[in-house]
Amino acid sequence: ELKVEQNPLFLSMQEGKNYTIYCNYSTTSDRLYWYRQDPGKSLESLFVLLSNGAVKQEGRLMASLDTKARLSTLHITAAVHDLSATYFCAVPTGGGADGLTFGKGTHLIIQP
Amino acid sequence: ETGVTQTPRHLVMGMTNKKSLKCEQHLGHNAMYWYKQSAKKPLELMFVYNFKEQTENNSVPSRFSPECPNSSHLFLHLHTLQPEDSALYLCASSQPWTGDTYEQYFGPGTRLTVT
Repeated sequence: ELKVEQNPLFLSMQEGKNYTIYCNYSTTSDRLYWYRQDPGKSLESLFVLLSNGAVKQEGRLMASLDTKARLSTLHITAAVHDLSATYFCAVPTGGGADGLTFGKGTHLIIQP
Repeated sequence: ETGVTQTPRHLVMGMTNKKSLKCEQHLGHNAMYWYKQSAKKPLELMFVYNFKEQTENNSVPSRFSPECPNSSHLFLHLHTLQPEDSALYLCASSQPWTGDTYEQYFGPGTRLTVT
């Protein structure tokens, strides 16, 4: 059974600081997704990582994928309050048009 | 707006009621999904449809009955639900995986409360 684990599950940090969210998954996958969810809202796609060593950056967020270690990281640089949200990583359940198995999410609060 | 719409956005129903959730995507995708998000569990995949055919049922109780009449529409029929079924139900769509970018786009969700 595929398991996706995120840590930390809760993170409170100050503006201007850097931090990293980790996502481990239990079975082989060459794809990994990061989503953001604001309170009461749906999921917004942040990054699609498609290969080992993939790195993508958007503003203050940078995501990477190590398929050999079955690990992805989401790095936050010089955090700002607007980045407060819950962040999810997800891995496909299998090949083809598959659903995703999500981690529990990291609830991120950035204090001004 | 992601191109995936869901109605209703909020629904309150009794345990003996029958109701349906509707999802429509305007992205030309061929795969559609139902997910459940509750306070007590991580986001859970419920059903997957690919070209109108159900390809995955994640051990969902029979009181949830999906229907996919075409690639643009997906329904979730609800009957004799339990209070623990109260959750946010999210619909998503995507193109089938072809080795290129493959991304699921989520609708705004239906907040369901079972009384």
